[in-house]
Amino acid sequence: EAGVAQSPRYKIIEKRQSVAFWCNPISGHATLYWYQQILGQGPKLLIQFQNNGVVDDSQLPKDRFSAERLKGVDSTLKIQPAKLEDSAVYLCASSSWTGNYNEQFFGPGTRLTVL
Amino acid sequence: DQQVKQNSPSLSVQEGRISILNCDYTNSMFDYFLWYKKYPAEGPTFLISISSIKDKNEDGRFTVFLNKSAKHLSLHIVPSQPGDSAVYFCAASGYSGGGADGLTFGKGTHLIIQP
Repeated sequence: EAGVAQSPRYKIIEKRQSVAFWCNPISGHATLYWYQQILGQGPKLLIQFQNNGVVDDSQLPKDRFSAERLKGVDSTLKIQPAKLEDSAVYLCASSSWTGNYNEQFFGPGTRLTVL
Repeated sequence: DQQVKQNSPSLSVQEGRISILNCDYTNSMFDYFLWYKKYPAEGPTFLISISSIKDKNEDGRFTVFLNKSAKHLSLHIVPSQPGDSAVYFCAASGYSGGGADGLTFGKGTHLIIQP
């Protein structure tokens, strides 16, 4: 079974630029999550999708961050414009009702550096 | 306000001995707890979990203990092996009915197994 795929793996941009990350979850997983992990911290949930609907985006900085999950499969997370404090690893995870309760499978992450 | 706390940033244990990683939480609504293991440049991988209706769950060398009254859980690894060297994250979740909740993570404990 293929795992969660993310791209790019690394991205360096200057502040005020835009950036987008892509995630392809495990086939059949209805729930998709984006987390932000700042150096020295644990991952923090940004947004959760159930199929193509948003379940929780309470911690998403909506003035600059946006996310979508078209057709309930792939997802993109966008930052526009980026700030220095957005430097972090962005993790995508997916889970399934048929799997273990709340067991989320994580992708390798995208490491973003904002200069 | 940190709802999940791992107060030991690092822990060094000799190979073959027991490793004990601790975690405290403050939110009484959490009903499911998980431990994830993370190697550098990889996403977290699920290790073991426990429901709030249990006080112990065992899987091979890994055992998780939950003390609900103290809002405390611990992960025991016996015996510790060099491959166990990694960062361990404690995570917690509730169940909103709209799908499994996103996870709330602690800051992690870096476990180092000494030969």
